[in-house]
Amino acid sequence: DTGVSQDPRHKITKRGQNVTFRCDPISEHNRLYWYRQTLGQGPEFLTYFQNEAQLEKSRLLSDRFSAERPKGSFSTLEIQRTEQGDSAMYLCASSPTGAKLFFGSGTQLSVL
Amino acid sequence: QKEVEQDPGPLSVPEGAIVSLNCTYSNSAFQYFMWYRQYSRKGPELLMYTYSSGNKEDGRFTAQVDKSSKYISLFIRDSQPSDSATYLCAMSQGGGSEKLVFGKGTKLTVNP
Repeated sequence: DTGVSQDPRHKITKRGQNVTFRCDPISEHNRLYWYRQTLGQGPEFLTYFQNEAQLEKSRLLSDRFSAERPKGSFSTLEIQRTEQGDSAMYLCASSPTGAKLFFGSGTQLSVL
Repeated sequence: QKEVEQDPGPLSVPEGAIVSLNCTYSNSAFQYFMWYRQYSRKGPELLMYTYSSGNKEDGRFTAQVDKSSKYISLFIRDSQPSDSATYLCAMSQGGGSEKLVFGKGTKLTVNP
């Protein structure tokens, strides 16, 4: 299967800890996206990369959040000093053109 | 007022029924309209993609966009139990912005 891969699938952490998620997009997809989804809501846009350049960021992406895509391939999303409100599903998607996004299965974060 | 409004349901129909799902939106700059299907604990999967107003058909699925009314619809004919999922509408402005704005999603159950 050459779909979008996210790791870990589940993460439980204590408030105040730092967490990092990884996303491996479909190879040769130059566009990569991070979204956040809470229960009963649709995904909310966080940020977008084209190759290694971070071109768009939501105001939801506070200074505790940082995303990187160092070589234009995989991406990481780090949350520092986690808060209970950060509990959500973090979804990664990739696309060759921007018209059709392919989502991974997400990382479910629980902050205790 | 949220940019995209979608009735969360839940919606329960018998197998073989025609299902109608819809969203309204407030941002007249939206040009690209999509429907995603999301199974439990999975990422969204693109079903239909439409640019501007009009209809698009793909098998049992028909998407309609009415930009004058700021209203989009998804119709599912001959619904199957395997169609049971949450259906999310999404839209974007294009023109350099890659951000998708999603509705809350409508949870559909098709009963055998």
